[in-house]
Amino acid sequence: EIVMTQSPATLPVSPGERATLSCRASQSVSSNLAWYQQKPGQAPRLLIYGASTRATGIPARFSGSESGTEFTLTISSLQSEDFAVYYCQQYNNWPLTFGQGTKLEIK
Amino acid sequence: EVQLLESGGGLVQPGGSLRLSCAASGFSFSSYDMTWVRQAPGKGLEWVSSITGSGGITNYADSVKGRFTISRDNSKNTLYLQMNSLRAEDTAVYYCAKTLLGSASYRYYFDYWGQGTPVTVSS
Repeated sequence: EIVMTQSPATLPVSPGERATLSCRASQSVSSNLAWYQQKPGQAPRLLIYGASTRATGIPARFSGSESGTEFTLTISSLQSEDFAVYYCQQYNNWPLTFGQGTKLEIK
Repeated sequence: EVQLLESGGGLVQPGGSLRLSCAASGFSFSSYDMTWVRQAPGKGLEWVSSITGSGGITNYADSVKGRFTISRDNSKNTLYLQMNSLRAEDTAVYYCAKTLLGSASYRYYFDYWGQGTPVTVSS
């Protein structure tokens, strides 16, 4: 099983600032990596797939990148609606696995 | 508009059974692989099971293999999850989710999710 490790667990950031969230895979997942945003009481929302492709309707301030088994989600200028929990997910191998999440909170 | 509406959750005793349903609309249901993902209270997301558009291929997490069965009725645009021998650790909100790409793409990431149905396993 591929283990996805997200860091940090909690990230305090001020509105308007840049946020950088990390996700590391225990082995290669190629570019088969997605990012989701989840707000309390809501279902997850797809942000990024293929490590760097924004899903339909996702603002350009969200971007994804990769370097080997390290993946990064960057939010360039945080808006109030961006404070949520973010999950990465690999879909290169069965079983599909998610990271444990990073909670983006207001500083 | 794509909609996924789960139902069938509730309170069940350990060892009991439940069948979850996910009614889909707004897209060609049989053309897309579907998946169940769960989230225990205060915890992260856990993949449970996936099924191809035709229903011919299924995959399961080890934690549910042999106890849960995923199926679909394409004539009714409905996805199911039969859960048997339930344990306390199966307590979670269960989401159904649609893959973004069509069946046989083998790219299991999810562009639409239902609102979730809660399952509580407790005596």
